[in-house]
Amino acid sequence: EAEVAQSPRYKITEKSQAVAFWCDPISGHATLYWYRQILGQGPELLVQFQDESVVDDSQLPKDRFSAERLKGVDSTLKIQPAELGDSAMYLCASSPAGRVGEQYFGPGTRLTVT
Amino acid sequence: QKEVEQNSGPLSVPEGAIASLNCTYSDRGSQSFFWYRQYSGKSPELIMSIYSNGDQEDGRFTAQLNKASQYVSLLIRDSQPSDSATYLCAVVSGGYNKLIFGAGTRLAVHP
Repeated sequence: EAEVAQSPRYKITEKSQAVAFWCDPISGHATLYWYRQILGQGPELLVQFQDESVVDDSQLPKDRFSAERLKGVDSTLKIQPAELGDSAMYLCASSPAGRVGEQYFGPGTRLTVT
Repeated sequence: QKEVEQNSGPLSVPEGAIASLNCTYSDRGSQSFFWYRQYSGKSPELIMSIYSNGDQEDGRFTAQLNKASQYVSLLIRDSQPSDSATYLCAVVSGGYNKLIFGAGTRLAVHP
């Protein structure tokens, strides 16, 4: 069964350092999402791609976060510099085009900033 | 006001009972509604979707929608300990075509 791949699964970094996460969606899924989830809360959308284009990044802290999906397949989310408040689970999901509610999630990256 | 609201729980039910989880949403333009299950330390998994008023059944799960009251619910019949998880209600926003999640309700099914 096709799955969304993410790496790394765990990342510990010091504040002010740069960190990057990678995601490979299910083949053929045009829409890719990056979420941040804090313990006890629901996932919060950071950025949504349709193919290689950003369709929503209204909640992305653009002074420190960036995301790209250059060829419309895999994607990278970067934080520079990391802050203590960035400690969270970062989830990537994908869906077929036009089916925003039917998302398939990867295993996530647990980020700890010290 | 949060866009999607859920009681955080925990909701504790005995094995074999019916678990009832509720959700309200604020955007009257929303047309699509979903329930995701998230086990501790794992990522969310879609379990139910509903698009029109009434009930949608899938095995032991029934999703219910009342658009007039802006209310969505999930019933789990014959609850099992393996159903113990956090259940996230999610709504596709009417104007922005993005999925908004509630904070989730933690369900604990005890033997």
